[in-house]
Amino acid sequence: GAGVSQSPSNKVTEKGKDVELRCDPISGHTALYWYRQSLGQGLEFLIYFQGNSAPDKSGLPSDRFSAERTGGSVSTLTIQRTQQEDSAVYLCASSPAQGGYTFGSGTRLTVV
Amino acid sequence: GENVEQHPSTLSVQEGDSAVIKCTYSDSASNYFPWYKQELGKGPQLIIDIRSNVGEKKDQRIAVTLNKTAKHFSLHITETQPEDSAVYFCAASQTSGTYKYIFGTGTRLKVLA
Repeated sequence: GAGVSQSPSNKVTEKGKDVELRCDPISGHTALYWYRQSLGQGLEFLIYFQGNSAPDKSGLPSDRFSAERTGGSVSTLTIQRTQQEDSAVYLCASSPAQGGYTFGSGTRLTVV
Repeated sequence: GENVEQHPSTLSVQEGDSAVIKCTYSDSASNYFPWYKQELGKGPQLIIDIRSNVGEKKDQRIAVTLNKTAKHFSLHITETQPEDSAVYFCAASQTSGTYKYIFGTGTRLKVLA
């Protein structure tokens, strides 16, 4: 597609369950980023992937959060044993080698 | 690590007036400063950016200024229109290439008709 695609757009889950959020970046973009946006807050960096390099995981808030990027394309962000404070909009972005983020529309996660 | 502060958190202006949003950053290694606009229910979109070798950049009604010595940069919107109403985020990065951006907390701009 022409843009960054995220799925699902909305996800409601029970506390303690695991969730997987998917991101399809723009074809040919070498870098992929995950951010979290809590209600009324800014964009909190989580993790980014650049080509075949080891990902920068420095923003992941706990070991319940993990992400992978298969074949240099699609990425999945997994949150294990979800907690209410995990409720937020999770945004994915991709960029070509020369930079410049294109964001998806996000996944709104609600933990009840 | 880098820390970006953004002010004000909310801003209301009359249509046709100017709006100014200010950001400060902490890491002197940062040299790329993009601004993003986020409309309700959508992801942020790049509206303008500036690199550290430039002090000012303008694109129609939008301009950005950078003071590297003071570590602050600002977004200026002139002749505001209702469609400018959105949340604006500043960011700082060590490169304009592929690298993580550290974002400010956002400014909700309301343009009153």
